[in-house]
Amino acid sequence: KAGVTQTPRYLIKTRGQQVTLSCSPISGHRSVSWYQQTPGQGLQFLFEYFSETQRNKGNFPGRFSGRQFSNSRSEMNVSTLELGDSALYLCASSSSGGRTDTQYFGPGTRLTVL
Amino acid sequence: GQQVMQIPQYQHVQEGEDFTTYCNSSTTLSNIQWYKQRPGGHPVFLIQLVKSGEVKKQKRLTFQFGEAKKNSSLHITATQTTDVGTYFCAGPMTTDSWGKFQFGAGTQVVVTP
Repeated sequence: KAGVTQTPRYLIKTRGQQVTLSCSPISGHRSVSWYQQTPGQGLQFLFEYFSETQRNKGNFPGRFSGRQFSNSRSEMNVSTLELGDSALYLCASSSSGGRTDTQYFGPGTRLTVL
Repeated sequence: GQQVMQIPQYQHVQEGEDFTTYCNSSTTLSNIQWYKQRPGGHPVFLIQLVKSGEVKKQKRLTFQFGEAKKNSSLHITATQTTDVGTYFCAGPMTTDSWGKFQFGAGTQVVVTP
């Protein structure tokens, strides 16, 4: 079974720009969660999607948004980039997003905002 | 809100030694998961504990869930260089926490040959 894939792997943007990141979950998995990882804050939950619906959201500003497609692939978008948005963005897929589901993380997208 | 804390933040270990990392939650957890992230890599699921007082072993790794389900520990015996990485514990944030886990800050393990 292929693992979770994320594209692009690396991204450099400037302040004020917007960015779209993509995540393809493991085949058959319907839940996709997004996390931001920074050295200072660790892994912070952004949002979770299941069957094209956002079921949960973390404490991030509205500049962070996401969506999920009918094939379970998910995208997240960050508008009006700030320097503090520089981070590793990880997506995790699981079969249903339940509390005891194993989460399988992708390799991440390293975003640098200049 | 729920807080998950891990100690120590850093662990320098001589190869062959044992060490333990601890995870403490401010609230009772239904279950807890442990992940390992190698330098430059992504978190990889290690194990899940669900029952109060549960102990699970994976070769040299021993995981324990506290009786009150508010703390957990990971003990590694005879540390090897392959154990290098950051170990995270994670618990579901609420009863309806679809895909929403609170991660501890992690314990970064450095192994000296």
